[in-house]
Amino acid sequence: DAKTTQPNSMESNEEEPVHLPCNHSTISGTDYIHWYRQLPSQGPEYVIHGLTSNVNNRMASLAIAEDRKSSTLILHRATLRDAAVYYCILRLDNYGQNFVFGPGTRLSVLP
Amino acid sequence: EAQVTQNPRYLITVTGKKLTVTCSQNMNHEYMSWYRQDPGLGLRQIYYSMNVEVTDKGDVPEGYKVSRKEKRNFPLILESPSPNQTSLYFCASRLFTNISPLHFGNGTRLTVT
Repeated sequence: DAKTTQPNSMESNEEEPVHLPCNHSTISGTDYIHWYRQLPSQGPEYVIHGLTSNVNNRMASLAIAEDRKSSTLILHRATLRDAAVYYCILRLDNYGQNFVFGPGTRLSVLP
Repeated sequence: EAQVTQNPRYLITVTGKKLTVTCSQNMNHEYMSWYRQDPGLGLRQIYYSMNVEVTDKGDVPEGYKVSRKEKRNFPLILESPSPNQTSLYFCASRLFTNISPLHFGNGTRLTVT
């Protein structure tokens, strides 16, 4: 699987937007970009995924660079509940059996 | 409510005493998987199952067994636990389509003394 690079940690103020970057310079044409997050004392939870176009859902937006070598997860208004570790994962467009979770970005939200 | 349920949440045991961690999902998912999470090592896959009676090794299967006799259940068995299996364990499931997301349980924290 192609590798992703994320900052170890980021900080945000409550009610401000948060942009979480992910670099994936070796991404292939069939890799989907997935984001998961892990709240304290919980299992990871799915946030969003995309292939080429920007995507929005009720939790977040995903902005994908035109060359697909990077992407950004956008939380439009951070809340204290958004404090978590965020994982950017590449998934092949097949029935590959493993999601490879890297260390992710630990997001702290300040009141 | 759609969910993956693991039991127990916490378990302390001694070396060599067989144990089973249960996992059940109510979403009719074909695919189920076990991960362990350790500081500095992230989440690593132990075993996975693509359907009933179909299981395969993940990245760190040594010391673990699994079974998939029913679609909803995927227990993790430690026949002879050792201290290096002290970890946080997660069960996950998903539909067997190419990009369907994983749904995780809330984890089982296992301590082997």
